[in-house]
Amino acid sequence: AQSVSQHNHHVILSEAASLELGCNYSYGGTVNLFWYVQYPGQHLQLLLKYFSGDPLVKGIKGFEAEFIKSKFSFNLRKPSVQWSDTAEYFCAVKVNTDKLIFGTGTRLQVFP
Amino acid sequence: SQTIHQWPATLVQPVGSPLSLECTVEGTSNPNLYWYRQAAGRGLQLLFYSVGIGQISSEVPQNLSASRPQDRQFILSSKKLLLSDSGFYLCAWSVLRGGNTIYFGEGSWLTVV
Repeated sequence: AQSVSQHNHHVILSEAASLELGCNYSYGGTVNLFWYVQYPGQHLQLLLKYFSGDPLVKGIKGFEAEFIKSKFSFNLRKPSVQWSDTAEYFCAVKVNTDKLIFGTGTRLQVFP
Repeated sequence: SQTIHQWPATLVQPVGSPLSLECTVEGTSNPNLYWYRQAAGRGLQLLFYSVGIGQISSEVPQNLSASRPQDRQFILSSKKLLLSDSGFYLCAWSVLRGGNTIYFGEGSWLTVV
């Protein structure tokens, strides 16, 4: 069965530190990849997505993610985090059957 | 523009009681519809998804069920709630087919006591 793994359950950083959140999926076919973010008390919202083309995608608020097909990975990065980036981050994979499968999420805390 | 609404927003139900959460989408037709549950430490778990009226795919065997009586209506139900059913339930939609963004409703907090 398809699955999405996020290896970092809880990440604590200081402001200006660099961020990388891991995401791996298990599915051999064509996938679309997403990162969603949920700020405290708010709805889930799309951060960035990959459908095809350039495997390095840029999203809102300075986030980017790189799709490495050979590694089945779609890691999220940001060179310098801010306190306002404190949130829970979810990686998601959409497979051919229109199922959108989420990882378990990574809670990011950024301290000033 | 498209909107998605789900209700009730908060629900406290005793063990063994029934459940009905409703979700409707406006401004689009023939959407994919989803029910997710977000439980502490377990992320977002896909429960059901539907690509059309009466077409329901179940991802997790449990005492919940889903129905899609109309194109833009998706209902999550249970005949007898368990304590473990407590959680935050999210309805979502996306355009049918393709790698399109999924949009979430406001969520429903269910506490089973």
